[in-house]
Parts: sequence; structure tokens; C-alpha cells
Amino acid sequence: DTGVSQDPRHKITKRGQNVTFRCDPISEHNRLYWYRQTLGQGPEFLTYFQNEAQLEKSRLLSDRFSAERPKGSFSTLEIQRTEQGDSAMYLCASSFSSNQAHAEAFFGQGTRLTVV
Amino acid sequence: AQTVTQSQPEMSVQEAETVTLSCTYDTSESDYYLFWYKQPPSRQMILVIRQEAYKQQNATENRFSVNFQKAAKSFSLKISDSQLGDAAMYFCAYRDTDKLIFGTGTRLQVFP
Repeated sequence: DTGVSQDPRHKITKRGQNVTFRCDPISEHNRLYWYRQTLGQGPEFLTYFQNEAQLEKSRLLSDRFSAERPKGSFSTLEIQRTEQGDSAMYLCASSFSSNQAHAEAFFGQGTRLTVV
Repeated sequence: AQTVTQSQPEMSVQEAETVTLSCTYDTSESDYYLFWYKQPPSRQMILVIRQEAYKQQNATENRFSVNFQKAAKSFSLKISDSQLGDAAMYFCAYRDTDKLIFGTGTRLQVFP
């Protein structure tokens, strides 16, 4: 399977704990995006990388959230001191973009986080 | 800031019939991309169709077509000959430079 892969698929954690999610994009894609989707809502942009550089962060990304893409391949999203409001589906997407064109974004199946 | 509005939380259609999902958006840009994404239950979001704003011709992909009204900032999706596998959440999205802005979605039910 050469699609976008996310791990884990589900995570239940106690309030105050730290969690880390991983995303493996499609191998030739230079852009990687993180979105958050709560029940009944559409996905909301969190941040994106071009290669290893983090180019934009949403105001939704509080200082408890950090994302990395150390070698321009896989990415991790860490949430520190989780709160119940962090419960959501975290979606990763990747695409190939150049100065000439922006290709479509391919999404992973997401990581569903439940904070109890 | 750009916004995307989907005013139909739920829609239903009978198999083989046609259904139209509505989407409006707000932007001050003249050149942009619009998308419809499908999210089946517990499966990843997939692109259904895309429209480039500078193209006047409405995009079509097999049974899926759009009605793009640039002046009205309207971008509806028509699904013809509906199939049971079309049942899913459908999201309208606007590409703002490097990211997608999504609407709240429309849940489509397909009845046999």
C-alpha cells in the first residue's frame, strides 16, 4: 500500500498525558499537512511542511502542540498535557507541489484521539 | 478570510436517482481551486472532483459534475445514477494558497 499511513489509528489517553502520532506520506510527496476534525465538523488546518521545513502553523496549534518532519519524510505530531478538548480525529495529508503546479492532497485514515 | 458553507447537514437519495449537494464560499481572490471530497465511514477522505476558478467550463468526473457559479460564489456537486457506495460525508473545500479550508460537510444517505 503506497498511500498515506497514520499510526496509531486509535489512542485513548488520560487527561494530562502526552501523546505522539506518526504520519508516513506518499514517498515522493514533498508537502505534508496536519488537520484536526471534530465530530460534525470539517477538517481544520493545523500546520504543514515542505520537505523538512514547517512553513505555516494555525492559531489552533497551541504551544502544547508540536510537529516535526526531521528528514523530510515521516512526520510526528505531539500533544503535551492533553485536555478533553483535544479529543478529535487527527488527519495527515501529503501532496507534491512545485512552482508550476499544486497536486491534489491525499489523506490518511487518521488517528482518533480520545482524552478521558 | 476565506470561508466555506455547506447548508445541508444531511441529504438522502434513492439508488439510481440524482442528488445535488450545495456549497457556497467567500473569497476576494480571482484565481483559486475548489474541491469536493468524499469521506466514507471509517475510511480516508478521497478527492471526488476539482474546479479551477479561471475555467468557465464545469468539471465532470463520470457520474459526478459540478455547477460552478463564480459570481455567486456557488459550487454545487451533482451525483447522477446514485449508487449505494456513494453514501458518505461530502466536504466542499477551497484551497487558500497552501492549505484547504473545508465546509462542515453533508452526510449523504443512499436508499435502495
